[in-house]
Amino acid sequence: QLQLQESGPGLVKPSETLSLTCTVSGGSISSSSYYWGWIRQPPGKGLEFIGSIHYSGSTYYNPSLKSRVTVSVDTSKNQFSLKVNSVTAADTAVYYCAKYTSGWPNWFDPWGQGTLVTVSS
Amino acid sequence: DIQMTQSPSSLSASVGDRVTITCRASQSISSSLNWYQQKPGKAPKLLIFAASSLQSGVPSRFSGSGSGTDFTLTTSSLQPEDFATYYCQQSYNTPATFGQGTRLEIK
Repeated sequence: QLQLQESGPGLVKPSETLSLTCTVSGGSISSSSYYWGWIRQPPGKGLEFIGSIHYSGSTYYNPSLKSRVTVSVDTSKNQFSLKVNSVTAADTAVYYCAKYTSGWPNWFDPWGQGTLVTVSS
Repeated sequence: DIQMTQSPSSLSASVGDRVTITCRASQSISSSLNWYQQKPGKAPKLLIFAASSLQSGVPSRFSGSGSGTDFTLTTSSLQPEDFATYYCQQSYNTPATFGQGTRLEIK
């Protein structure tokens, strides 16, 4: 059974870089059939897609965040990562990683449990 | 970006009720619409994909319908574990976008 687990600091200072890793277990990240994505949810608010990556390195970023976001993959560790630069309080959110099917139809499933990142000095 | 609008934003219902949640897209998305259930402190869980296909393991009391711009999620007989927040998500265009959520509460 495929499982995803986010990890990284829970507190980041304003203007610094948020860094998270998603570890995939129970299956290989190196499948041509899937992308691996990041979604975030500010406290009490809705869901926002951040970006996704294929094991080949192909990426897609939400244009609203593209200038500050980098998603990378490490197939040797079965992990993919997220970096968000120049964070502000508006980046405070629960960050989820999820598998995203390529082709059509596509959807996010499964999801990691999520990790809360707070931006504060 | 394609805007997804859910209605209502919140809903009170009783166990055993039949409940319908609506999701409208700002442009036609064919049947590229997914539904998720989220309980407090938990990650979203996929219920329905491609507008009407039930994800494996999801109870058959959940059903989805629609195409184009208008979609519905229906629960035929609410169970206590169904009280949660529901989100629709379009996968027709990038970036994927979500509705604002519908909170289903116990009456």
